[in-house]
Amino acid sequence: RKEVEQDPGPFNVPEGATVAFNCTYSNSASQSFFWYRQDCRKEPKLLMSVYSSGNEDGRFTAQLNRASQYISLLIRDSKLSDSATYLCVVNQAGTALIFGKGTTLSVSS
Amino acid sequence: DAGVTQSPTHLIKTRGQQVTLRCSPKSGHDTVSWYQQALGQGPQFIFQYYEEEERQRGNFPDRFSGHQFPNYSSELNVNALLLGDSALYLCASSQGGSGELFFGEGSRLTVL
Repeated sequence: RKEVEQDPGPFNVPEGATVAFNCTYSNSASQSFFWYRQDCRKEPKLLMSVYSSGNEDGRFTAQLNRASQYISLLIRDSKLSDSATYLCVVNQAGTALIFGKGTTLSVSS
Repeated sequence: DAGVTQSPTHLIKTRGQQVTLRCSPKSGHDTVSWYQQALGQGPQFIFQYYEEEERQRGNFPDRFSGHQFPNYSSELNVNALLLGDSALYLCASSQGGSGELFFGEGSRLTVL
């Protein structure tokens, strides 16, 4: 079983749609969780950290369920500029970040 | 404030050759991590350097080696290149081992 697994993509949605990405991780000792965004042929960039209580940043909401070892990212009112690959990332304390394969989102007008 | 810089940006090698990739971390960062990203895959952790020593290593063969210099810059060396080594090699820096990672734009290696 892979350490971090994400929904297979791609997700093709119209502008204004709400889209949700799911991610599961295998190591129950994982302590930090993130969503990174990667544009085509560019480097990954941190989108947001994920906290146990859930957190929101504008149109983006991240949630964590430690019991189920599950992380989600919700994007509301999708924009064309949201088109990218979204990478689920986890790590244990003091260890390297482990990336999922990524889920590609394509928002069309 | 310069971010993470990597060189070269693109390179082509043939099987069996050796390659060295270079990385300068973001100002103020002391930890450098290297990742390999094959097409359509997420970044795979190769190793992490801190205080000029390899602190952690992913599941990569000994053909992959690295170095960190006193100024925190780093090199990734790959010997005896295989076709399967073709990928985007990403360098990421952080302050400490678990802080936010800042990535460079990567070095795209093609092995023929």
